[in-house]
Amino acid sequence: DTEVTQTPKHLVMGMTNKKSLKCEQHMGHRAMYWYKQKAKKPPELMFVYSYEKLSINESVPSRFSPECPNSSLLNLHLHALQPEDSALYLCASSQGSSAGGFNEQFFGPGTRLTVL
Amino acid sequence: AQSVSQHNHHVILSEAASLELGCNYSYGGTVNLFWYVQYPGQHLQLLLKYFSGDPLVKGIKGFEAEFIKSKFSFNLRKPSVQWSDTAEYFCAVIRNFNKFYFGSGTKLNVKP
Repeated sequence: DTEVTQTPKHLVMGMTNKKSLKCEQHMGHRAMYWYKQKAKKPPELMFVYSYEKLSINESVPSRFSPECPNSSLLNLHLHALQPEDSALYLCASSQGSSAGGFNEQFFGPGTRLTVL
Repeated sequence: AQSVSQHNHHVILSEAASLELGCNYSYGGTVNLFWYVQYPGQHLQLLLKYFSGDPLVKGIKGFEAEFIKSKFSFNLRKPSVQWSDTAEYFCAVIRNFNKFYFGSGTKLNVKP
């Protein structure tokens, strides 16, 4: 299995809602990533988990809260989002390194989020 | 500032034309280089990668890229494009294994 799966594919939420995005991989990768991609822009790194520990937070607002319950799963909890947070949220995974370094990443299809 | 530059933002070619997309990065140290492709409505897929060894790297679908260390470049090439190559192409760099940068992307339209 060489896939990274993400659910849901689409999500529409109000600014007072709480929702979660889910990401799963079964490639034995020990590093997982969240990216945000706005239209016509490259993906922007948000968080990196290495061996289930948060290793990088790229100064993301606290209304985004990542969680890595185990080595195959990565969640992104959303609360009190703003309309400008509407974007495609991508999950990726890679073989981890003990130094927490990056490696070739495999991307999921993304969740298209719209905040009303 | 450290960056990955893709100077061609939008390229339009006819089928069978040759393609070269530029990618330059602006830092020294150890780099690992990638080209990703994003077809319309699909997710990012790895085209090819360079970690070490032969600087001419062959990827999927007839693409290749050449790492020229002295020019800090990793340009993507294909001798003859097809309509199905219409997509957005992103160059990416891992620096010293702990920083990952995407370029701004190049949108390729291939006219049938």
